[in-house]
Amino acid sequence: DIQMTQSPASLSASLGETVTIECRASEDIYNGLAWYQQKPGKSPQLLIYNANSLHTGVPSRFSGSGSGTQYSLKINSLQSEDVASYFCQQYYNYLTFGSGTKLEIK
Amino acid sequence: EVQLVESGGGLVQPGRSLKLSCVASGFTFSNYGMNWIRQAPGKGLEWVAYISSGSSYIYYAETVKGRFTISRDNAKNTLYLQMTSLRSEDTALYYCARKFPPGVFDYWGQGVMVTVSS
Repeated sequence: DIQMTQSPASLSASLGETVTIECRASEDIYNGLAWYQQKPGKSPQLLIYNANSLHTGVPSRFSGSGSGTQYSLKINSLQSEDVASYFCQQYYNYLTFGSGTKLEIK
Repeated sequence: EVQLVESGGGLVQPGRSLKLSCVASGFTFSNYGMNWIRQAPGKGLEWVAYISSGSSYIYYAETVKGRFTISRDNAKNTLYLQMTSLRSEDTALYYCARKFPPGVFDYWGQGVMVTVSS
């Protein structure tokens, strides 16, 4: 099974800042990676797929990058509505999620 | 508007069974693969099972294989998850989610809670 290691587990940043969340796969997943946002008490929402493709309706301040085993989600100009947990998910070989990153406003 | 509404959850004793349902609306259900994904309280996400649009392809996570059965009724726009031999570690919020190519989930239900406890 492909393991996904996500970091950091939690993150505190100021409004307007840029934050980056990392995800490392235990083997090459050939850009088969997605990112989800889960606001408190809500269902997850798809942000990014194919490592860097923005899903419909997602603000452009979200972006994804990476290749091979290393991937990242960047949020530019952090806003209050970005408070959430973020999960990566690989779909190259079956489906596994990272453990999540909880983002708070400082 | 795409909607997925789960039901059937509750408190159940270890070893017993439970059947979850997910009613879909706002899209052509029979055109999409569907999934069940769960989230234990305060924990991360775990994919549970997948069924293709015509039920030809079915896959399970190793943790539930042999105990859970995913199925669908396209005439009723409904996805099911039959859970047997339930264990305490199956306690979670269960989501149904629509498959969006190439293998991600673009719409999720609100989730239904399953608690396995004596």
